Amino acid sequence: GAVVSQHPSRVICKSGTSVKIECRSLDFQATTMFWYRQFPKQSLMLMATSNEGSKATYEQGVEKDKFLINHASLTLSTLTVTSAHPEDSSFYICSARGERWANEQFFGPGTRLTVL
Amino acid sequence: EDKVVQSPLSLVVHEGDTVTLNCSYEVTNFRSLLWYKQEKKAPTFLFMLTSSGIEKKSGRLSSILDKKELFSILNITATQTGDSAVYLCAVEAPGGSEKLVFGKGTKLTVNP
Repeated sequence: GAVVSQHPSRVICKSGTSVKIECRSLDFQATTMFWYRQFPKQSLMLMATSNEGSKATYEQGVEKDKFLINHASLTLSTLTVTSAHPEDSSFYICSARGERWANEQFFGPGTRLTVL
Repeated sequence: EDKVVQSPLSLVVHEGDTVTLNCSYEVTNFRSLLWYKQEKKAPTFLFMLTSSGIEKKSGRLSSILDKKELFSILNITATQTGDSAVYLCAVEAPGGSEKLVFGKGTKLTVNP
């Protein structure tokens, strides 16, 4: 199967700072990337969908000005949590899909964000 | 609103037992149902089901979909401690983005 990486795997930051998380498809071109958030003992909640070269589509209740998504190339999408607060602490997972793999979604290993 | 419900939420068994995990769904324009296994990090893909009544099998794991009753089951036979994980069910419902709607998962613990 395809490989998706995320960086960093873990980040701790102070309240009020911004954090950028990268999601890369390593061996295929991802026409669409998805960003999920997972709180402890909860399921994955889709935050937004991004297509290369166009604006991300956010799910209801997700603030687009707070969670900035950029999908500048077919192998890279970034999620920036702006002015992070402790309640933003969560596990953020991206997934990517591309035509090469019959549009199956492949998940990255996730990023654990802790905001102090 | 699209909804995926998994049961039970948690399950504790002994090695060698057989388990059945359930997933029911309500979505508009169903496209496929997927099962994932999540250990410490990202979910890993197990099965994708699109047609009713056709069992998919991989080793000790198998899954089947009933599109009339809107549910799927995931069976694990001869469980091992390495099967301990959260099993997630997700439904793909096309709506321009082919997004996945996840259930809350079933936490399976297999004791030696």
